[in-house]
Amino acid sequence: EVQLVESGGGLVQPGGSLKLSCVASGFTFNNHWMTWIRQAPGKGLEWVASITNTGDRTYYPDSVKGRFTISRDNIKSTLCLQMNSLRSEDTATYYCTRDRGSSHIFVSDFDDWGQGVMVTVSS
Amino acid sequence: DIQMTQSPSFLSASVGDRVTINCKASQNINRYLSWYQQKLGEAPKLLIFNANSLQTGIPSRFSGSGSGTDFTLTISSLQPEDVATYFCLQHNSWPRTFGGGTKLELK
Repeated sequence: EVQLVESGGGLVQPGGSLKLSCVASGFTFNNHWMTWIRQAPGKGLEWVASITNTGDRTYYPDSVKGRFTISRDNIKSTLCLQMNSLRSEDTATYYCTRDRGSSHIFVSDFDDWGQGVMVTVSS
Repeated sequence: DIQMTQSPSFLSASVGDRVTINCKASQNINRYLSWYQQKLGEAPKLLIFNANSLQTGIPSRFSGSGSGTDFTLTISSLQPEDVATYFCLQHNSWPRTFGGGTKLELK
């Protein structure tokens, strides 16, 4: 059974930093691209960052580019998201997700999600 | 970016009803459309991928159709456990984008 367990959320002041982690199990971690998706309270879903299975490439939307960094450790089956210069609009539940079958020539959907971790940016 | 427009935003139906939710893409996304179900306080769950393929373990009352720009999720006979918010996702091109969601409740 695929399991994705996030940690590291909490309350942080605007301009601060936070690092999220996601420990994966139940599948061959280094075979899959991984993605962070967020959901602001009462709102829809927004893609935040993706990383290839080897970690050689990363992808971000403009809303977080230059502030967030996605990384992975394939030995420890762990995905991370370093978030810097946080803003109130970054307040959301952050989900660790597994890409169903992304590659360098094809981008897929997400077939497994963690339970999510809450990040609150407020003074 | 490709915009995904879902309709309706809210839907109230009775147990046993046939329910349809629509998703319209701002440009052609072929069949790269997935549907997710999110129950209150839970993570989204994949229901349908490639517009009409049922994910393993999902009840057969759920089905998807469409291609190009117009897609539909159908629940053939609504059950109480189907109360949730439903999202569509396009993965035809970067960035992957979601619809705004349809909140389904029981009448």
